[in-house]
Amino acid sequence: NAGVMQNPRHLVRRRGQEARLRCSPMKGHSHVYWYRQLPEEGLKFMVYLQKENIIDESGMPKERFSAEFPKEGPSILRIQQVVRGDSAAYFCASSPLSDRQNTEAFFGQGTRLTVV
Amino acid sequence: SQKIEQNSEALNIQEGKTATLTCNYTNYSPAYLQWYRQDPGRGPVFLLLIRENEKEKRKERLKVTFDTTLKQSLFHITASQPADSATYLCALLRTGANNLFFGTGTRLTVIP
Repeated sequence: NAGVMQNPRHLVRRRGQEARLRCSPMKGHSHVYWYRQLPEEGLKFMVYLQKENIIDESGMPKERFSAEFPKEGPSILRIQQVVRGDSAAYFCASSPLSDRQNTEAFFGQGTRLTVV
Repeated sequence: SQKIEQNSEALNIQEGKTATLTCNYTNYSPAYLQWYRQDPGRGPVFLLLIRENEKEKRKERLKVTFDTTLKQSLFHITASQPADSATYLCALLRTGANNLFFGTGTRLTVIP
């Protein structure tokens, strides 16, 4: 059973371009969470999705950021018109149940976005 | 505002000793607390979960305590080894929330 797969591992974008980060959850997991980690900072929650639904996007900036988890295929975090401040490590986590149901989250290895 | 603080950014201990890491929180009513390990360039890996009605949890050389009166969790690694060197993160699920809130982590170095 493969773990949570994120790609690409490293992504370089110029200011103003779009960044697309992909996350394939573990088999059988229908809950996906995206977190952002800045250097020397903790993981900050961005969005929680279930298949075809955004459950909680309270941590996501209102502009330029969007996320989806389609019926088929990976979850996508999209950042439009990237700026230098978007440079960070973005982690995806999946679980078979929601966090409320006392289960661990399985994290991917992250995508390191660098905006130049 | 809600806050999770981990006692120090970095902790150095001698091999064989017990490492104790602290996680303090304010303005939370956590349903449970988790500890994760994160190595450089890698994603966090789950270690232990302790619920609000539990005082202590153990797993091999790891022990976690949870004091909801003090709003504090302690994470112990006994007989520490250089391979235990990593950043350790505590995370809370606030009652009624959908997601985990993470502390900034403590970087542990075990010196041979």
